[in-house]
Amino acid sequence: DSGVTQTPKHLITATGQRVTLRCSPRSGDLSVYWYQQSLDQGLQFLIQYYNGEERAKGNILERFSAQQFPDLHSELNLSSLELGDSALYFCASSAGLASYQETQYFGPGTRLLVL
Amino acid sequence: GQQVMQIPQYQHVQEGEDFTTYCNSSTTLSNIQWYKQRPGGHPVFLIQLVKSGEVKKQKRLTFQFGEAKKNSSLHITATQTTDVGTYFCAVYSGAGSYQLTFGKGTKLSVIP
Repeated sequence: DSGVTQTPKHLITATGQRVTLRCSPRSGDLSVYWYQQSLDQGLQFLIQYYNGEERAKGNILERFSAQQFPDLHSELNLSSLELGDSALYFCASSAGLASYQETQYFGPGTRLLVL
Repeated sequence: GQQVMQIPQYQHVQEGEDFTTYCNSSTTLSNIQWYKQRPGGHPVFLIQLVKSGEVKKQKRLTFQFGEAKKNSSLHITATQTTDVGTYFCAVYSGAGSYQLTFGKGTKLSVIP
């Protein structure tokens, strides 16, 4: 158990819909990262937040957005869903103190299926 | 951003055989991390290498960072069924970067 929690575990929805994935980081961690894992693209970095502020952006679509709240939990919002958005979405957290050399601790993931 | 090539993509070994996965970059890396993801699980941090030529061991696992800091390897001695999973290398996109880029991973199957 990494200490990172994600809800829900599974999500089934239809194309065009909007969903929200939730992540709570390890106690004391200030940074939260979101990743998308699909069979053909591997593990892709989407976005990072540090103490409520966006810090780094990866291959995140404009239909996707995220935020980190004052209690440090984070939400990833996916809208206008397409079949290709079906994937595993992982949240990870790190202390956020030592920047680019930190270990990231991954949550169990949310499996999204878009029908 | 930083990219890393990981080979092989798949490896099937008989239990007891050794296994090695390689991670290569065209540019010098500041550091490299290795993660393991069990089937149906999430990536779990194994180790970080920072120094040129660094070698670290964790029981049957040996991690190496190349002298030029452009490649790394993970070697497992005498594989066991518990070693099954996908092994990823991951690198930060340069000094000051917060983006961790993962290799495609090597999926290890161990035949009992």
